[in-house]
Amino acid sequence: AQSVAQPEDQVNVAEGNPLTVKCTYSVSGNPYLFWYVQYPNRGLQFLLKYITGDNLVKGSYGFEAEFNKSQTSFHLKKPSALVSDSALYFCAPPNQAGTALIFGKGTTLSVSS
Amino acid sequence: DSGVTQTPKHLITATGQRVTLRCSPRSGDLSVYWYQQSLDQGLQFLIQYYNGEERAKGNILERFSAQQFPDLHSELNLSSLELGDSALYFCASSAPDGYTFGSGTRLTVV
Repeated sequence: AQSVAQPEDQVNVAEGNPLTVKCTYSVSGNPYLFWYVQYPNRGLQFLLKYITGDNLVKGSYGFEAEFNKSQTSFHLKKPSALVSDSALYFCAPPNQAGTALIFGKGTTLSVSS
Repeated sequence: DSGVTQTPKHLITATGQRVTLRCSPRSGDLSVYWYQQSLDQGLQFLIQYYNGEERAKGNILERFSAQQFPDLHSELNLSSLELGDSALYFCASSAPDGYTFGSGTRLTVV
């Protein structure tokens, strides 16, 4: 079965510091993975995706993620956090049939000023 | 505005009642996905429709059902509501970069 794990429920970082939100995956076949962000009282917004090709994927709002096949990880990173980055972040693979994305509880990122 | 429209934004109803949530996908998108977000379960996939036909099922309860109409809007019907059904219900439609989500319907069962 396809699955991801976001081992941290919450990540706290000071504004201006680099941030990492972790994601490890377990998928069969060639994995493709997404990161989404949810701001308070809003729907989810697409950040970036990995399908194939470069392991370093650049996305919206200055975020990037590195796909690491040997470590089965797809961590989300940003060199310098902003207070406005505070939100709930989801790493999502497709389900086994490839017909829908699987989300979980996500990781809450809190950036302090 | 994502282009995916969900109504109503908020709904308060009593246990045992039945409600209908509505979703209009982005113009031209044939797929509609329904998700339920709660604190304890996170964001769970319920069901997908594609051009009027059910395409995939997730963790959808038997008390819940959905359909997609010829104009591609979709409705999620929740019946015999329980307190535990209180959640945010999201609809999404397909986009080249994944999904585009609506802003959700917050259902409160009292």
